Amino acid sequence: RKEVEQDPGPFNVPEGATVAFNCTYSNSASQSFFWYRQDCRKEPKLLMSVYSSGNEDGRFTAQLNRASQYISLLIRDSKLSDSATYLCAVNLSNDYKLSFGAGTTVTVRA
Amino acid sequence: DGGITQSPKYLFRKEGQNVTLSCEQNLNHDAMYWYRQDPGQGLRLIYYSQIVNDFQKGDIAEGYSVSREKKESFPLTVTSAQKNPTAFYLCASSQGARQPQHFGDGTRLSIL
Repeated sequence: RKEVEQDPGPFNVPEGATVAFNCTYSNSASQSFFWYRQDCRKEPKLLMSVYSSGNEDGRFTAQLNRASQYISLLIRDSKLSDSATYLCAVNLSNDYKLSFGAGTTVTVRA
Repeated sequence: DGGITQSPKYLFRKEGQNVTLSCEQNLNHDAMYWYRQDPGQGLRLIYYSQIVNDFQKGDIAEGYSVSREKKESFPLTVTSAQKNPTAFYLCASSQGARQPQHFGDGTRLSIL
């Protein structure tokens, strides 16, 4: 079993739709969680950190489910510009290292 | 503007050649990292450094070497021992443990 796993998708959604996807992690003691956005042939960019109580940044909502060991990202009112690959990152060992999922591809169509 | 600068953007390596990828940051971050990304795959950690003059192997360190002589610089050498070096190489930095990492815009390495 991989330490951090994501559904690769692709999730193809129309503009204005809501899309959500999860990321599971292997270590129940993990403390830090992040979502990154990566455009084709570009570097990952930090989208948001994920806090225990859940958090929102505009149209993006991140949640943590410690009992089932996953984090989720929900995108409301999808825009064409939201088309990208979304990577989750987990600090599995509470040290300096982040473990990344392979990414979930989202395509928003007009 | 604060950020991470990687150079070159594209690099070609001949058989048996060592090449060095540059990474410089002006974010005053203590920790720096090197990742490799292959098509359709996630990021794999090559080396990381928590502080100047110290670094640790990541998950795929074989065939690579690093140095950390200055806080702002963390160059990666891809040696001839790395038999499959073609990939997208990403450098990152963070303020410390359990903090988000911020990435440079990467170097694409190919074999001639």
